[in-house]
Amino acid sequence: DGGITQSPKYLFRKEGQNVTLSCEQNLNHDAMYWYRQDPGQGLRLIYYSQIVNDFQKGDIAEGYSVSREKKESFPLTVTSAQKNPTAFYLCASSQRDKRDTEAFFGQGTRLTVV
Amino acid sequence: AQRVTQPEKLLSVFKGAPVELKCNYSYSGSPELFWYVQYSRQRLQLLLRHISRESIKGFTADLNKGETSFHLKKPFAQEEDSAMYYCALKTGRRALTFGSGTRLQVQP
Repeated sequence: DGGITQSPKYLFRKEGQNVTLSCEQNLNHDAMYWYRQDPGQGLRLIYYSQIVNDFQKGDIAEGYSVSREKKESFPLTVTSAQKNPTAFYLCASSQRDKRDTEAFFGQGTRLTVV
Repeated sequence: AQRVTQPEKLLSVFKGAPVELKCNYSYSGSPELFWYVQYSRQRLQLLLRHISRESIKGFTADLNKGETSFHLKKPFAQEEDSAMYYCALKTGRRALTFGSGTRLQVQP
């Protein structure tokens, strides 16, 4: 069953701790993305990667870090520097550099700082 | 910088009524525009894209470059259309920029 999988579905973190969100895809897509979804603000781009071992900052990258060591995986680390980390995080993937290509989304991870 | 504006947070209509979800964009290049939909407890998914000029589930959207708009329309709303709708713009760097979304409620 092809698709994009995010884990865990719910995550709780204490203030001051780093936490890593997992995103895996078996669609053979080169490009992967991380978005943050907040009520009333839509989806905001955190980081994206067009190819293995390369990634770029999105609009709200501060306090986050990523890696892209494998084509299938694009984990997101929410660091203690992120001032308001409680949010819903969405991972997506797509074919690279193709006009009108569709992005496929995971089910999301809801992160709560306690 | 690119931006997508969806002015309505909530749009409530009765079943059978026409629907128009507004989307305006700002981008200096050649735009690639999409509508994504998120039904309750389902993942975000593509509804339609402007370049395909397709009608999906009765929805259509026309790109108006003069008005920089990409409004989503359906002549007769159905209850199963109730969902969150996002307009999205794909820019030269190939990452989607989303609007803030419009929740469509179709009442019986």
